[in-house]
Amino acid sequence: AQSVTQLGSHVSVSEGALVLLRCNYSSSVPPYLFWYVQYPNQGLQLLLKYTSAATLVKGINGFEAEFKKSETSFHLTKPSAHMSDAAEYFCAVSDQSFNKFYFGSGTKLNVKP
Amino acid sequence: DAMVIQNPRYQVTQFGKPVTLSCSQTLNHNVMYWYQQKSSQAPKLLFHYYDKDFNNEADTPDNFQSRRPNTSFCFLDIRSPGLGDAAMYLCATRGDRGGGTGNEQFFGPGTRLTVL
Repeated sequence: AQSVTQLGSHVSVSEGALVLLRCNYSSSVPPYLFWYVQYPNQGLQLLLKYTSAATLVKGINGFEAEFKKSETSFHLTKPSAHMSDAAEYFCAVSDQSFNKFYFGSGTKLNVKP
Repeated sequence: DAMVIQNPRYQVTQFGKPVTLSCSQTLNHNVMYWYQQKSSQAPKLLFHYYDKDFNNEADTPDNFQSRRPNTSFCFLDIRSPGLGDAAMYLCATRGDRGGGTGNEQFFGPGTRLTVL
């Protein structure tokens, strides 16, 4: 069974500050991990993914995430927040079939001017 | 641009009145998914098609059905909507090419369903 836990349903940062969104996973098989962003009333857009290659993954819009097997974590970071980063972020895990994706409950990021 | 299209974007139906949501894609992807997302919750997988093979999640209510007449289109039918079915319904596609490739889902903008 696979699952994802996102700590912190709401995170607030100042513009220009570091963004850190936390994701921990549980998987009985080597996981494949994804971060998606969702703007209001829109679908999900892929930010980045880990599929057993490099453990530090760079995505779009300056985001990156590091896969840490020992900590079962895949936290999302961005060095400097921008107002346009305000959105909801979902972490997801899949098995090797990629036929099922399990999403975390999401973290809403607020960016203060 | 290749994309996933969902129509309508907003759908209002009455309690118990059947409703159909549609999804089309120009990506020629062989896998299509339907998710239900309630307010401030994670998207929940309802079912998916791998080519023509239908895969239902164990906890998807019988009230929810799906049809995929061809590669490009997929429909979600809610036979008797209840108030608890009000949600955003997301369609996603994936182009499986074997060997671990094609592992990314592409999402449509969603249809927000209101049940009166």
